[in-house]
Amino acid sequence: GENVEQHPSTLSVQEGDSAVIKCTYSDSASNYFPWYKQELGKRPQLIIDIRSNVGEKKDQRIAVTLNKTAKHFSLHITETQPEDSAVYFCAAGGSGNTPLVFGKGTRLSVIA
Amino acid sequence: DGGITQSPKYLFRKEGQNVTLSCEQNLNHDAMYWYRQDPGQGLRLIYYSQIVNDFQKGDIAEGYSVSREKKESFPLTVTSAQKNPTAFYLCASSMVPGYNEQFFGPGTRLTVL
Repeated sequence: GENVEQHPSTLSVQEGDSAVIKCTYSDSASNYFPWYKQELGKRPQLIIDIRSNVGEKKDQRIAVTLNKTAKHFSLHITETQPEDSAVYFCAAGGSGNTPLVFGKGTRLSVIA
Repeated sequence: DGGITQSPKYLFRKEGQNVTLSCEQNLNHDAMYWYRQDPGQGLRLIYYSQIVNDFQKGDIAEGYSVSREKKESFPLTVTSAQKNPTAFYLCASSMVPGYNEQFFGPGTRLTVL
């Protein structure tokens, strides 16, 4: 089955700097890669996703890149703000009728 | 808030008691899921259901049971066989497993006294 590895597990950046979180996956048939943000005590919420027919997708300060050959995808947050502080989860899916497989999460702290 | 609700928000249970967590969605989604989240940990899949009257075990199904009698509802029972049930439980739903966005409920925090 699919296996998703996520790095780093914790990340601290200064306000205004960029943050990058990386994930690798094992199943080459996976074709859907979402990123979720979870604030403390809240539910995870989708912030951006990408499908395998696209190499990069942007939404304001957030971007995701996908390298299908290397089987890795990354979340990029530019001009970080304190409200970006949260746990971020990557996931992979679309191979067979099975649920998304999540990475273990990255705790991002933006220091003002 | 995404049309998926969970109740109660907080639940306290004595050791040896079974307890049922509610999950309801009005998104007309076929697939529903239960996850367990421990402090500082990721999302671990307990059970999922792709259609009414059908469900499959996830990675940590031991000590848990589910039912899917209606499309809108997917209750989770934490049985006395679950040795360490204190955790944050999240329900989710999607149109099709793995192919599109999963919407999460607000969660239930279960504490065993």
